[in-house]
Amino acid sequence: AQSVSQHNHHVILSEAASLELGCNYSYGGTVNLFWYVQYPGQHLQLLLKYFSGDPLVKGIKGFEAEFIKSKFSFNLRKPSVQWSDTAEYFCAVNAGSGGYQKVTFGTGTKLQVIP
Amino acid sequence: EPEVTQTPSHQVTQMGQEVILRCVPISNHLYFYWYRQILGQKVEFLVSFYNNEISEKSEIFDDQFSVERPDGSNFTLKIRSTKLEDSAMYFCASKGGSSEAFFGQGTRLTVV
Repeated sequence: AQSVSQHNHHVILSEAASLELGCNYSYGGTVNLFWYVQYPGQHLQLLLKYFSGDPLVKGIKGFEAEFIKSKFSFNLRKPSVQWSDTAEYFCAVNAGSGGYQKVTFGTGTKLQVIP
Repeated sequence: EPEVTQTPSHQVTQMGQEVILRCVPISNHLYFYWYRQILGQKVEFLVSFYNNEISEKSEIFDDQFSVERPDGSNFTLKIRSTKLEDSAMYFCASKGGSSEAFFGQGTRLTVV
């Protein structure tokens, strides 16, 4: 069964600081990887995804993530955070390519950006 | 941009009552899901649905839960006899063939 672990539960940064949120997954086969963001009081929105190809993927709002297969990792990065990035970030994985496979979420990382 | 819509946005119900949470998935999607998020906890998978039947369900999805797609557009989650611990945000999601899952805005269920 697939699983996802996120190392940081709560991160506090000042504006303009760089961000890296760790994510490791456990699954032996082909995976699709995602980062979702949940702004306060809102629904889950997709930040970026990796299906195949270039392991460095760029998403919305200046976020990027790198898939390192040998480390089973998919860390999220942003060079300079803004106050509006305050949200909860979820790493997620679904096994296989296509089909009904469910998405499994990590426990989430709450990011607080201080102006 | 197409989106998944859920109604109601907030539902308050008394313990023991039945609730039905409604979702309209993206129209050409084939796979449908329900997830829940208890306040302060992670998003948990409940059930996936494809070709008019359940594909997979979690341990949480016990006999008090059911899903159906009655008319080819709506996708509903029914909780037969709600318990206090069912209070959570419930998210519906839908997916095309090999795309990512698109999530609705959620229904906040409060059981009192």
